[in-house]
This record gives sequence, C-alpha cells and structure tokens, in this order.
Amino acid sequence: KAGVTQTPRYLIKTRGQQVTLSCSPISGHRSVSWYQQTPGQGLQFLFEYFSETQRNKGNFPGRFSGRQFSNSRSEMNVSTLELGDSALYLCASNLGGIRETQYFGPGTRLLVL
Amino acid sequence: QKEVEQNSGPLSVPEGAIASLNCTYSDRGSQSFFWYRQYSGKSPELIMSIYSNGDKEDGRFTAQLNKASQYVSLLIRDSQPSDSATYLCAVKGTGGADGLTFGKGTHLIIQP
Repeated sequence: KAGVTQTPRYLIKTRGQQVTLSCSPISGHRSVSWYQQTPGQGLQFLFEYFSETQRNKGNFPGRFSGRQFSNSRSEMNVSTLELGDSALYLCASNLGGIRETQYFGPGTRLLVL
Repeated sequence: QKEVEQNSGPLSVPEGAIASLNCTYSDRGSQSFFWYRQYSGKSPELIMSIYSNGDKEDGRFTAQLNKASQYVSLLIRDSQPSDSATYLCAVKGTGGADGLTFGKGTHLIIQP
C-alpha cells in the first residue's frame, strides 16, 4: 500500500505571498492532520480533517487554513507568508479512530525569503 | 496548554547497550502514547504505541507507561548505530479529534 504523499517537496516563496501544499493520504484513511516542524518549536499540530470537515485546530493564526476533498486528499494554505513560516510541513493520515496511529508523509520544506 | 517534555540530549550510548528515553506529559486525561523516530531530514516514523499502564515489547523496543506518574519511556536493547536518530514522544489527548502533542525530541547517538 502506498504511503502518504506530499507535494511539492520543496518550495521557496517571498514574504507576503501565499502557498498551497497538497497531501494524499494512505488509501482508505479518512483523517488527515497537518503539522509544522521548526528547530525552535518542534512539531506543532495545525489542524485535522475527517470526512471533509475540520475536526480540530491547533493554536495557529487564521492565515493557516486547510480543506479536504471527497477523496480524502487535503490541502493547506498559508496566506501572507512571514519569515517565521519557514518550516517543514508534515501531513499525517490515519483511519480516523481515537487510537489510530498517524502515518507521516515526507513533508514539504518551505523557505520564506 | 498540553505539554510533553523530553530531555533534548544528546544521549550517547555504546553499541550493544540499552538506551533509555523518557517523556513526561501534563494532560492527565491523555489516552494514547506514541514513540516516533526521526532521522535528520526525514519525516517521523512510528516505533511504538502504548495505551495501557505497563510494558509493551516489540523486538528490541519496549515502551513503558505509568499514567499515575504521567510518564512514558522507551527502552532500546542491543543498540545499533542505525538507532542514532531523534526520538519523539507524542501524546493524544482526551478528545477524539485532538491532534498529537509532541515533545521536542531526544537526540540519541549510538557509539560504535
């Protein structure tokens, strides 16, 4: 079974621009979560989507948004990019249950100049 | 504010020895606990999950959970140089839709 895929793998943007990242979960997985990883803050939860609905949201500003499509693929968008948004953005999928293990994709490395 | 604390290390262990990694968490109602391994430049990969008090063994890895002390640990027996990585402790809260709260990880170095 294919793993979680994320595109693009690398991205360079300038301050003020916006960016859209894509995630395709493992086949059959209905839950997709997004995380931001930086050296200073570590891995931080952004939001989770399940059956096209946002189930939970972490403590990030409204510039960070996401959506999920009927095929469970998910996108996240960051508007008005700031230098501090430079990070590794990780997507994880699971079946959706409380105890389900999350499986991570390879990540998208975003550099904001 | 849910918190997960880990010693950042580096933790240096001789090859063949037991590596012991520790993690404490603040949310007493947490239900699910995970250990992930992350190599430099790669994404986290699951090592172990544990949900009940006690020990859970999988090959060279043993996870230990003590909910009363809000403490989770990971033991790696017969440590190999390939075990050198950052180990992330992750906790899932009481809500069914809570995301994982991660510690900042312990950098483990296995010395040949």
